[in-house]
Amino acid sequence: DAGITQSPRHKVTETGTPVTLRCHQTENHRYMYWYRQDPGHGLRLIHYSYGVKDTDKGEVSDGYSVSRSKTEDFLLTLESATSSQTSVYFCAISENRWPGNTIYFGEGSWLTVV
Amino acid sequence: AQKVTQAQTEISVVEKEDVTLDCVYETRDTTYYLFWYKQPPSGELVFLIRRNSFDEQNEISGRYSWNFQKSTSSFNFTITASQVVDSAVYFCALSALQNDASGSRLTFGEGTQLTVNP
Repeated sequence: DAGITQSPRHKVTETGTPVTLRCHQTENHRYMYWYRQDPGHGLRLIHYSYGVKDTDKGEVSDGYSVSRSKTEDFLLTLESATSSQTSVYFCAISENRWPGNTIYFGEGSWLTVV
Repeated sequence: AQKVTQAQTEISVVEKEDVTLDCVYETRDTTYYLFWYKQPPSGELVFLIRRNSFDEQNEISGRYSWNFQKSTSSFNFTITASQVVDSAVYFCALSALQNDASGSRLTFGEGTQLTVNP
């Protein structure tokens, strides 16, 4: 199994509060991704990182920010959580930019915004 | 733009039945990769298989088999003699090299919930 740890695994928060999800990898992979999973949508890319301090937006990035200060850590922040951000969040890693790489996923973080 | 469609939202079968999960994709890229992932009730995503766009050979792994047909842009997944432990959500996904810095990113289908009843 790929060494990917997400924290927290489960969180309930109130609307308007900031939330940070952490992804930690032990594989020294360059690429890291945050996806969200919602019924009827599969998984959609929020943000990705292609190196330390190198990040960019995915297809559903509004309301989210990310940071990567170390190769092994990729943080996803909801600046002011909304109910529409209730979802399951998955971190993923990839060794390089080759599309044939297997992308490995963390175990997911269940976030409920009330 | 890439798109993956899994038209079957839910499938329910009885144990030992064969079941096929459909996946249709759209892409303008000539080089791309197709994946299947399994998400059991525990929630994690488990990689099952990867195929590249130049290899249309079918693949069999135990009770699992995959049929890739470029002519119909399909990458279907068949489970033979299904078992209760096969109950899960199955995702089909596509990856191609992007022009931006993202390298490769996965475009997922909506997923198919498979329930195998004893």
